[in-house]
Amino acid sequence: AQSVTQLGSHVSVSEGALVLLRCNYSSSVPPYLFWYVQYPNQGLQLLLKYTSAATLVKGINGFEAEFKKSETSFHLTKPSAHMSDAAEYFCAVSNTGKLIFGQGTTLQVKP
Amino acid sequence: NAGVTQTPKFQVLKTGQSMTLQCAQDMNHEYMSWYRQDPGMGLRLIHYSVGAGITDQGEVPNGYNVSRSTTEDFPLRLLSAAPSQTSVYFCASRPDSGANPYEQYFGPGTRLTVT
Repeated sequence: AQSVTQLGSHVSVSEGALVLLRCNYSSSVPPYLFWYVQYPNQGLQLLLKYTSAATLVKGINGFEAEFKKSETSFHLTKPSAHMSDAAEYFCAVSNTGKLIFGQGTTLQVKP
Repeated sequence: NAGVTQTPKFQVLKTGQSMTLQCAQDMNHEYMSWYRQDPGMGLRLIHYSVGAGITDQGEVPNGYNVSRSTTEDFPLRLLSAAPSQTSVYFCASRPDSGANPYEQYFGPGTRLTVT
């Protein structure tokens, strides 16, 4: 069965600091992996996806994630946080067509 | 191209009332699904459909019904609303093949409160 664990329900960083949001997955076969962002009172927007091509995936708004099979991880990073990055972030896995989400991580950016 | 649309945006129900959340997509996607979002639990799959006339249960199907009579529409029915169904509901669709399989497109959500 597939599952996703996001470590840390809340992450707080200062503006300009590195953003690191952690995601570990469980899948019996090579998975597709996704990061979605949800701004307050809005729907979900795709940030980036891993589909078995390059292990380092670049997404929108300066975010990137690295697929590490040995660690079953797909952590999301951004070198320098902006105030506009404050949102909830969801990691998701799929290898059957159904999308399984992690619990979400709320990112707070302090001025 | 409107993508995935949902109506209504907000709804308040009394316990025991029934209602239908509407979802439509104009991308000719075969796969559609319904999720509910609750604080600290991420999004959980309620029901999904792989094409017109075919539906199946997800992780939390109890209290919800679906049908899929056309490719475009996938309504979610609450037969007898309960306070535990207070949540934000998202509809999503994705193509079955092509360059971006498994990438789902989400609607804006319906915020439902059951009193």
